[in-house]
Amino acid sequence: EDQVTQSPEALRLQEGESSSLNCSYTVSGLRGLFWYRQDPGKGPEFLFTLYSAGEEKEKERLKATLTKKESFLHITAPKPEDSATYLCAVQAGGGGADGLTFGKGTHLIIQP
Amino acid sequence: NAGVTQTPKFQVLKTGQSMTLQCAQDMNHEYMSWYRQDPGMGLRLIHYSVGAGITDQGEVPNGYNVSRSTTEDFPLRLLSAAPSQTSVYFCASRPKSNYGYTFGSGTRLTVV
Repeated sequence: EDQVTQSPEALRLQEGESSSLNCSYTVSGLRGLFWYRQDPGKGPEFLFTLYSAGEEKEKERLKATLTKKESFLHITAPKPEDSATYLCAVQAGGGGADGLTFGKGTHLIIQP
Repeated sequence: NAGVTQTPKFQVLKTGQSMTLQCAQDMNHEYMSWYRQDPGMGLRLIHYSVGAGITDQGEVPNGYNVSRSTTEDFPLRLLSAAPSQTSVYFCASRPKSNYGYTFGSGTRLTVV
């Protein structure tokens, strides 16, 4: 059974204080690992897709990395508008099945 | 280009009532799926479709029916609503060429 575990559950940072969110996964045949941002009352918003160990993607203050067992979302010098819940998900391969397996998310608060 | 459109945004049902949650996408995506999001549980896959006329079950399919008669539409039916189906429901779609899903803004359903 595919599993995704995110840590920490919640994180409070001061504006400008860099940190990392963790996503560890167990999956049979990884097709892709995804990071989403979710604001209250909204649907998940796509951030990154990572396909293979060693891959890195960047967007503004966010950088996602991938190893064979986990992914990190690094947040550099965050601003209050980066406050959101960050979701990690995996797409497993095999058998024609589709859909994502999600972690429970990390609730990030950036204080001015 | 509206993306993924879900209606209604909010709904209150009585136990035993039936209803259909609508989902439409205008991106000509082959793959579509439905998720429910509950506090402390993360997003869980209900049903998915890999093309018109083809659907399959996800992690939590009991109590829900789907059909896919067109590429654009993927409705989710609750035949006899139960309080355990109180949740926020998200529809998502992706093209065949990559695994990144685009999500709708959700339907908040309360069953009393």
